[in-house]
Parts: sequence; structure tokens; C-alpha cells
Amino acid sequence: DGGITQSPKYLFRKEGQNVTLSCEQNLNHDAMYWYRQDPGQGLRLIYYSQIVNDFQKGDIAEGYSVSREKKESFPLTVTSAQKNPTAFYLCASTPRTKANEKLFFGSGTQLSVL
Amino acid sequence: DQQVKQNSPSLSVQEGRISILNCDYTNSMFDYFLWYKKYPAEGPTFLISISSIKDKNEDGRFTVFLNKSAKHLSLHIVPSQPGDSAVYFCAAGAGGTSYGKLTFGQGTILTVHP
Repeated sequence: DGGITQSPKYLFRKEGQNVTLSCEQNLNHDAMYWYRQDPGQGLRLIYYSQIVNDFQKGDIAEGYSVSREKKESFPLTVTSAQKNPTAFYLCASTPRTKANEKLFFGSGTQLSVL
Repeated sequence: DQQVKQNSPSLSVQEGRISILNCDYTNSMFDYFLWYKKYPAEGPTFLISISSIKDKNEDGRFTVFLNKSAKHLSLHIVPSQPGDSAVYFCAAGAGGTSYGKLTFGQGTILTVHP
């Protein structure tokens, strides 16, 4: 079954700790994205990557870092510099074969601060 | 600055009736629009989209209407079913090379009562 796998489903972070959220896709999509959802708010773009070894900041990149060493994988690190990390994190991908492609989303990771 | 707004946080509808979800946008560069459905603790799933060159797109029970002059779009669900109960997000993109860089509204919680 093709899809996007995010792990873990739930993650707890202690103050001052960096944590990494995993995102793997087997859809052979070129572009991958990280969005954050807060209660009562829409999804906001953190980082995106349109090709391996390249990524760009989204609207709220501060306190986050990413890497794109493989086409299939786009992990997100929430650093200690992110002062309000509690949110639902969503990874997405798209083929990037043409404009106006829809996003395919993973099932999300809920990050909470201890 | 909220470029995509869903001004109704919630909507309650009787089974079999029409559900109308609304969305307004401010950025004239947006040229395609999407609706996503989301259940709690899951990733959004794509419902329907529309390009700015059209004013209507239908897919089964779902119809999206676009009024470019008013910068307004709406999603009609007819007939509504209890399984439609979820959060609905509208999203907008600027096409071109923006692949997947969508701007989302805050979401509307739809509840369909049996």
C-alpha cells in the first residue's frame, strides 16, 4: 500500500530537548512538506523540499530544522529554540509533476511538552 | 494576516439536508482552491478542487463554487450524511512553482445529525 508514514503517533518533549519526527513516503513523490496544526487554526507551513538535498523555509520555520537526504524521507527536528512546540504535525507530499497538484497527508504526530 | 478565512467555526445540519461551508480569501494571486476533510488525530484527506478558470466543480455529493469577484468559495454537500461529520479546511495555492505550498483556512467543524 502506497502512502505516507509518520512516527511516532504521540511524542513528548522535555524542556531544552530536541526531538525528531519521522516522515517516510513510498509514493515516489518529489516534493515533501511539514505543516503544523494548532487548535482552532489552519495548517501552517514549516518547511518544504521539492527535491533531494534541497529544502526551503515555510511561514513558521523558526525553531525547526529538516533534512532531505533521500527522496523517501523528510524528518523534522523540533529544537529547544521552538518555544511553543505543542501541536499536531502533519507531513505531506506531492508528485510535483504539474502545478495545482493536491497534497497527500500522513496521519500526523501529536507533540506535547512535559 | 489571514489570507484564507473560514468565518464559521462550526455548522450543524440534519441528515439528508444540504451543508454549505464557506471560505473567503484576500490574495489575488491564488489560482486554485481545494477542500480537505479531517477527522481528529488523522491527516486531512482531499475532497475536491477548483481552478480559477472555472466557477463550479462537481464530484458526486460534493460541489465547489468559486466567485472570483467576491474572492469567495463554498463547498456544498448534498445530501449530508452522518459520516460527513468532520473538520473541513479550504486551502488556496498560487500555482506556478508553488506546488503544495498551500494556505489553509482555520477549518469548520461540520456535524451531521441523524
